[in-house]
Amino acid sequence: SYVLTQPPSVSVAPGQTARITCGGNNIGSKSVHWYQQKPGQAPVLVVYDDSDRPSGIPERFSGSNSGNTATLTISRVETGDEADYYCQVWDSSSDHWVFGGGTKLTVL
Amino acid sequence: EVQLVESGGGLVQPGGSLRLSCAASGFTFSSYWMSWVRQAPGKGLEWVANIKQDGSEKYYVDSVKGRFTISRDNAKNSLYLQMNSLRAEDTAEYYCGRDTGKLDYWGQGTLVTVSS
Repeated sequence: SYVLTQPPSVSVAPGQTARITCGGNNIGSKSVHWYQQKPGQAPVLVVYDDSDRPSGIPERFSGSNSGNTATLTISRVETGDEADYYCQVWDSSSDHWVFGGGTKLTVL
Repeated sequence: EVQLVESGGGLVQPGGSLRLSCAASGFTFSSYWMSWVRQAPGKGLEWVANIKQDGSEKYYVDSVKGRFTISRDNAKNSLYLQMNSLRAEDTAEYYCGRDTGKLDYWGQGTLVTVSS
């Protein structure tokens, strides 16, 4: 089955740029979606189809996808961005949605 | 406004059954795939199952195949998850989500605890 690998944690100072990676075999050929989940809340879609943003999501959130790595980039990080972030793809070989293990973003 | 509201969670003994419901509003329910996703306490997200608009296609994660059944009633704008032969490892918050090639809307979840 398809596996997505994320770093368990990323730390960044306010105002800096956070980059969260999602690794998978030839993930560049898939559409990657990213979700933000704050404690006690449901996940929220922040980037879809590699780099598109739903309405209401700040432009500070962006995404890229190439080769074996997809990346969620959060510019000018704010304390309110502190959350868990998950990547997701559809694995057509198994007809399964697959989530990465999640990355905890800490704003120092 | 799109709203998804889950219900039906609770405490159940191992081997028992539970039926979760997800009431949808604010969009044409019958036009969308729907999914269930769960999250064990302190753990990450795990997709459980999804279902096509007319119920003709259903997919499941391997760990629940043969035990869980996803279904929908488009006349009632409702999604269901029948869970049988429950195990301790099924303990989780269960979310329903609108599946548009990504999960663009999620409910707030319902907690299922499997314990004796």
